[in-house]
Amino acid sequence: QKEVEQNSGPLSVPEGAIASLNCTYSDRGSQSFFWYRQYSGKSPELIMSIYSNGDKEDGRFTAQLNKASQYVSLLIRDSQPSDSATYLCAVNALGQGAQKLVFGQGTRLTINP
Amino acid sequence: NAGVTQTPKFRILKIGQSMTLQCTQDMNHNYMYWYRQDPGMGLKLIYYSVGAGITDKGEVPNGYNVSRSTTEDFPLRLELAAPSQTSVYFCASSYSNFPGANVLTFGAGSRLTVL
Repeated sequence: QKEVEQNSGPLSVPEGAIASLNCTYSDRGSQSFFWYRQYSGKSPELIMSIYSNGDKEDGRFTAQLNKASQYVSLLIRDSQPSDSATYLCAVNALGQGAQKLVFGQGTRLTINP
Repeated sequence: NAGVTQTPKFRILKIGQSMTLQCTQDMNHNYMYWYRQDPGMGLKLIYYSVGAGITDKGEVPNGYNVSRSTTEDFPLRLELAAPSQTSVYFCASSYSNFPGANVLTFGAGSRLTVL
């Protein structure tokens, strides 16, 4: 079983709709959760971090965390073509530094105009 | 403020050759990391450093070496290149290693092909 799993996609969403990206993890001790966006041929950039159960909103982005079910999701409202990218989920265990950060394989998102 | 700078951006190596990927950061970060990313895959940690003179292995260290003589520089050396080392390599740094403050800043990446 992979430690961090994502549907590799591609996920196609019409412009203006809500894009929903999901990630599950196997380590129940995980405490820090990150979403990185990676445009084709570019490096990852952090868009959201979440540490507590529930929702965290930042502009059009909402991260949702459910530790009991071991999943974290990212919602993108009013999707724009510029949101087309691969989204990487990353998970860190409690007390562990970034050297213990585990990345999923990423979900490729395409927003169709 | 350049952030994390990697060179070269592209390189083609023959099997058995060696090379060094350069990485430098100007943010005075103590923590630096080298990742590789294979097509359609996530990032795998090769080596990391928590400060000048201190390095440690990550998940996939075989075939690589690192050094950290200064806070700014963290070069990755490939010895005896093999086709399995064909990948995109990312250097990253972070201000802190504590959860909540260990956000990674990535370099632009170095695409390496071994033929």
